[in-house]
Amino acid sequence: EVQLVESGGGLVKPGGSLRLSCAASGFTFSRYSMNWVRQAPGKGLEWVSSISSSSSYIYYADSVKGRFTISRDNAKNSLYLQMNSLRAEDTAVYYCARDSSGYPDPNNWFDPWGQGTLVTVSS
Amino acid sequence: QSVLTQAPSASGTPGQRVTISCSGSSSNIGSNYVYWYQQLPGTAPKLLIYRNNQRPSGVPDRFSGSKSGTSASLAISGLRSEDEADYYCAAWDDSLSGWVFGGGTKLTVL
Repeated sequence: EVQLVESGGGLVKPGGSLRLSCAASGFTFSRYSMNWVRQAPGKGLEWVSSISSSSSYIYYADSVKGRFTISRDNAKNSLYLQMNSLRAEDTAVYYCARDSSGYPDPNNWFDPWGQGTLVTVSS
Repeated sequence: QSVLTQAPSASGTPGQRVTISCSGSSSNIGSNYVYWYQQLPGTAPKLLIYRNNQRPSGVPDRFSGSKSGTSASLAISGLRSEDEADYYCAAWDDSLSGWVFGGGTKLTVL
């Protein structure tokens, strides 16, 4: 069974940092591009970042560019999101989602999604 | 403000057919595929429709997608109580070089 499990969320002060992890199982992780998507409380979905299977191609939403860094460790079947200079507006549930191919592409889709991890930025 | 525009709510009675719309622009829906995700209460999103009108295995044929120009629609026929959820459209935006989502439509089954 394909499974994605996020962890690392929690309460952090504005300006602080946090590192999210996504543990993948049930598929060959190194063959797939991966994504982070977030959802603020009571709000809609917002794409955050994508990384290709070999980490050669990385994309960020303008709202997080320069503050967040996506990475992966194919040997550990894990995806990461390093979040720095956190702001109140970064408060959200962060989901990792598998891409349908090894390279981020408009022809791809996100499936499956993990259960999410909550990040709260507040003083 | 989401790049793709969806009505915030929709409703229907069991057995009815409902349509959820998604409006975009030439840089997203107009030039790329549209995807639909279903989010049941308290759960993670789930892929419902890919590449405008394709259903993943396991998704009932009551769900169908279409696209015309810079707009897309999700139709649900034979509405059931378990269809009550939030529905999001998504597409790649060439100008932003990233994925954009609609604000979501909350479907209520009366």
